[in-house]
Amino acid sequence: QSALTQPRSVSGSPGQSVTISCTGTSSDIGGYNYVSWYQQHPGKAPKLMIYDVSKRPSGVPDRFSGSKSGNTASLTISGLQAEDEADYYCFSYAGSHYVFGTGTKVTVL
Amino acid sequence: QVQLVQSGAEVKKPGASVKVSCKASGYTFTTYSIHWVRQAPGQRLEWMGWINAGNGNTKYSQKFQGRVTITRDTSASIAYMELSSLRSEDTAVYYCARSSYDFWSGYLDYWGQGSLITVSS
Repeated sequence: QSALTQPRSVSGSPGQSVTISCTGTSSDIGGYNYVSWYQQHPGKAPKLMIYDVSKRPSGVPDRFSGSKSGNTASLTISGLQAEDEADYYCFSYAGSHYVFGTGTKVTVL
Repeated sequence: QVQLVQSGAEVKKPGASVKVSCKASGYTFTTYSIHWVRQAPGQRLEWMGWINAGNGNTKYSQKFQGRVTITRDTSASIAYMELSSLRSEDTAVYYCARSSYDFWSGYLDYWGQGSLITVSS
């Protein structure tokens, strides 16, 4: 039950777009459309940003979007804002269990 | 409004057990499920297990199988996570989070505030 692989960090200037990848296998990401993404600010509980690969919960800005191709899911933040600086985790159903990604720190330059 | 309120921080000795509670309010407890997730200091989130609050079915991560037990009290709308044979590596913030009824459709839409468990002699 290995963690999904994410880049350790990504960065961008305000207004730019950044994309975070999340790579798994055909047993998790590639096998199901049950990928979700969470934002976590320091010392806080995670917050759901995307579910079922590309659906956005009520209240989450539409500059957050999700997609999937094969065994890799992606989260894109368009029009980066200062408050988007946080850690981001992907999370996938894997049949008999769930698995989180390794986490990505997004820095707004 | 949906709320998950967890028990407070605890310090435990190696070899002991800890039981963390997660009290739900603002929704019908038995029509959803609860996941438990932990995060060691400076580390990533780690999935521990799940309980269907309606029928009590559970599933656990292989990593914690045999050491973790998740239960619920439907009369009080509380889920519990008990971890035994604690070691220093279990020092972490433990979170409960709500998901839909079925195991396969889980995304975690509401989270508790976290409970810091410190294992130290």
